[in-house]
Amino acid sequence: QVQLQESGPGLVKPSETLSLTCTVSGGSISSYYWSWIRQSPGKGLEWIGYIYYSGTNYNPSLKSRVTMSVDTSKNQFSLKLSSVTAADTAVYYCARERADSSGYYYAYWGQGTLVTVSS
Amino acid sequence: DIQMTQSPSSVSASIGDRVTITCRASQGISSWLAWYQQKPGKAPKLLIFAASSLQSGVPSRFSGSGSGTDFTLTISSLQPEDFATYYCQQANTFPLTFGGGTKVEIK
Repeated sequence: QVQLQESGPGLVKPSETLSLTCTVSGGSISSYYWSWIRQSPGKGLEWIGYIYYSGTNYNPSLKSRVTMSVDTSKNQFSLKLSSVTAADTAVYYCARERADSSGYYYAYWGQGTLVTVSS
Repeated sequence: DIQMTQSPSSVSASIGDRVTITCRASQGISSWLAWYQQKPGKAPKLLIFAASSLQSGVPSRFSGSGSGTDFTLTISSLQPEDFATYYCQQANTFPLTFGGGTKVEIK
């Protein structure tokens, strides 16, 4: 059974870079599309983007500030969001689609990590 | 971006009630729609994909229908564990987008 676990600082200062890692167990990270989704009281659920073995796809609203990467040796993928403001305060989830790749339907989620942007 | 509008934003219901939640897309998305259930402090859980396909392990009292722009999630007989917030998500066009949620509360 695939499991995902987010990790990273829970507090980030304004204008700095938010960095999170998602560790995948129970399956190889070399397949599938690995996504980040966030949830804030003000904007609800927001898709940030995904990374797969040969590329990325980011939400245009965040594209200028987002970088995703994969470390296959550690079975991890990461999110960096630069120049953060209070509006980036949210619970951040890593997620993966269904095993049959029938579409971008998220069957596997991490437990979520709250990131607060504050000085 | 495709806007996903859910209604109602909240609904009060009793155990055993039939509950229907609606999701409307701002443009046609064929059947590229999912429904999720979320409980406080937990990640969303996939219930329905491709508008009407039941995710493995999800009780059959949950069903989905619709195509194009109008979709429905139905809970045929509400159970205590079903009190939660429900979200739709379109998977037709990037960026993927979610509805604002419908909270199902105890009457």
